Amino acid sequence: KAGVTQTPRYLIKTRGQQVTLSCSPISGHRSVSWYQQTPGQGLQFLFEYFSETQRNKGNFPGRFSGRQFSNSRSEMNVSTLELGDSALYLCASSPRTGGYEQYFGPGTRLTVT
Amino acid sequence: AQSVTQPDIHITVSEGASLELRCNYSYGATPYLFWYVQSPGQGLQLLLKYFSGDTLVQGIKGFEAEFKRSQSSFNLRKPSVHWSDAAEYFCAVGAGPKYNQGGKLIFGQGTELSVKP
Repeated sequence: KAGVTQTPRYLIKTRGQQVTLSCSPISGHRSVSWYQQTPGQGLQFLFEYFSETQRNKGNFPGRFSGRQFSNSRSEMNVSTLELGDSALYLCASSPRTGGYEQYFGPGTRLTVT
Repeated sequence: AQSVTQPDIHITVSEGASLELRCNYSYGATPYLFWYVQSPGQGLQLLLKYFSGDTLVQGIKGFEAEFKRSQSSFNLRKPSVHWSDAAEYFCAVGAGPKYNQGGKLIFGQGTELSVKP
């Protein structure tokens, strides 16, 4: 089976802009979670979608949003980018929701200048 | 509050030596437990998982981990380290479906492993 894919892999944006990141889960997986990874804060949970419904959301401002499509592909959007949003954004998929094992993609490296 | 602690930020071991990475968690109940490995610029790869049952679990790449309920620990071990094991290792916990937390995993801060030739 193909693994989790994320596009784009690298992105440079300017403060105030918005960005959309895409994630395609492993075939058959209906749960997609997003994480932000930074050197200072480590890996932090953003949100999880299962069958197109958001199941849980981390402690991030409303500028961070996401959605999931009927084919389980997911997108996350960050509006009004700030310098502190520079991070590696990781997507993970799982065949089920509820804290089970997740399989991660390679990530999107976002740099905000 | 739910948390995961990896006390060692950086560990250096000699190639061929044994390895133990520590992980302690704080949770209301026995969580689901995981170890992941991340190479520079890469995503995370699942090494092993524990849900219930036998407290010693085997994973990929020769790794194993032992769940100790009394110590709230889930330490990762490998009997003989290879140079290719140099990477960052993360311990993570999930609540399990009873607790309505969805797919949220909580990660430790990571332990960077260096391997001396």
